Amino acid sequence: TQLLEQSPQFLSIQEGENLTVYCNSSSVFSSLQWYRQEPGEGPVLLVTVVTGGEVKKLKRLTFQFGDARKDSSLHITAAQPGDTGLYLCAGVPFGNEKLTFGTGTRLTIIP
Amino acid sequence: DAGVIQSPRHEVTEMGQEVTLRCKPISGHNSLFWYRQTMMRGLELLIYFNNNVPIDDSGMPEDRFSAKMPNASFSTLKIQPSEPRDSAVYFCASSASGGLGDTQYFGPGTRLTVL
Repeated sequence: TQLLEQSPQFLSIQEGENLTVYCNSSSVFSSLQWYRQEPGEGPVLLVTVVTGGEVKKLKRLTFQFGDARKDSSLHITAAQPGDTGLYLCAGVPFGNEKLTFGTGTRLTIIP
Repeated sequence: DAGVIQSPRHEVTEMGQEVTLRCKPISGHNSLFWYRQTMMRGLELLIYFNNNVPIDDSGMPEDRFSAKMPNASFSTLKIQPSEPRDSAVYFCASSASGGLGDTQYFGPGTRLTVL
């Protein structure tokens, strides 16, 4: 059983469209991170959210941490081919010292 | 600035052989992590070190796996003997401090294929 479930698992959309991917858990997290991984490379940190209800924006990307600190979402506006990649959420659950990665969403933006 | 360096980038070996993966963390970072990534299981933390000391190795799948960090600038992950189910991409990451929620910088990974 995965601690962090991401949905959808795969997403393919046209350039210019908007999209949202989700990261859900039944556990409470002290903080949650989002990474993007491109083929042949390691994951790269995009953002860390630490406060329930927090919203962070990174250009066309908007990250939200759920009020109960159990879930998070990533919204991309006007997707571009450069957004293509594997998006991973990761968090440290309260009471557990191990950083856990989600199952991932593989995003493809079609030009 | 050099990021995390891993070698080799690709390794193909036969079942039963010993495999050694190498990692050089970012200079000045005092935490180092080894991960394994597969399509089935995603990205899994195998072991992490803080100030060269192993802190949590509960993710190491079995005794065939071992990791060392003899100094602050070098770590190895060894599999002996290797099995086909060990085929995966192995990542090393480092962070400036010991907190698991801190930013981790990943290397490019070693793609291991065990035939």
